[in-house]
Amino acid sequence: NAGVTQTPKFQVLKTGQSMTLQCAQDMNHNSMYWYQQDPGMGLRLIYYSASEGTTDKGEVPNGYNVSRLNKREFSLRLESAAPSQTSVYFCASSARGARAGRPYEQYFGPGTRLTVT
Amino acid sequence: SQQGEEDPQALSIQEGENATMNCSYKTSINNLQWYRQNSGRGLVHLILIRSNEREKHSGRLRVTLDTSKKSSSLLITASRAADTASYFCAGINTPLVFGKGTRLSVIA
Repeated sequence: NAGVTQTPKFQVLKTGQSMTLQCAQDMNHNSMYWYQQDPGMGLRLIYYSASEGTTDKGEVPNGYNVSRLNKREFSLRLESAAPSQTSVYFCASSARGARAGRPYEQYFGPGTRLTVT
Repeated sequence: SQQGEEDPQALSIQEGENATMNCSYKTSINNLQWYRQNSGRGLVHLILIRSNEREKHSGRLRVTLDTSKKSSSLLITASRAADTASYFCAGINTPLVFGKGTRLSVIA
């Protein structure tokens, strides 16, 4: 199993450009997540999808949109990139629904390093 | 928020020493997890401790949980250079919320 995969690994955008970060998991997990991490900082939740067909905002959703394409795939879109969105973006998934209220382990992808100039 | 706050922010020790890092949180939780992040990589789950447990072991890891003080600690015994990483705690919530982590450097 590949686990959680993310594409691309690196990306440079100019201010105002748009792009979509792709994430896929092959573990048949119900829930998927997008996090943002700035250097030396913790992870901030952007959006999550508790189950196929649902999405919810996290701590820092402004400037982003998401699509839970199917159970495997969860994409993150930047409609008009800004320098403040220069960061590393991590996708994660978990078996149990994020709303289950029971213990669950998250599995993380390798990250996408985005630079906006 | 179930966000944990790790302390210290950075820790540097010699190989073979023990490393202790702490986590505090503000609201009641049912369970708490610790994750490790190697430089430039995604987080990896280390251990989960439930609210009715006070201590849990996994290999060289020992985790304690004090729900009355809303705190947890992670002890890594006989540290190795490969333990150099950032360590994060997260209270079980829907979904997980992470603090800024403790950056551990183990010097060979």
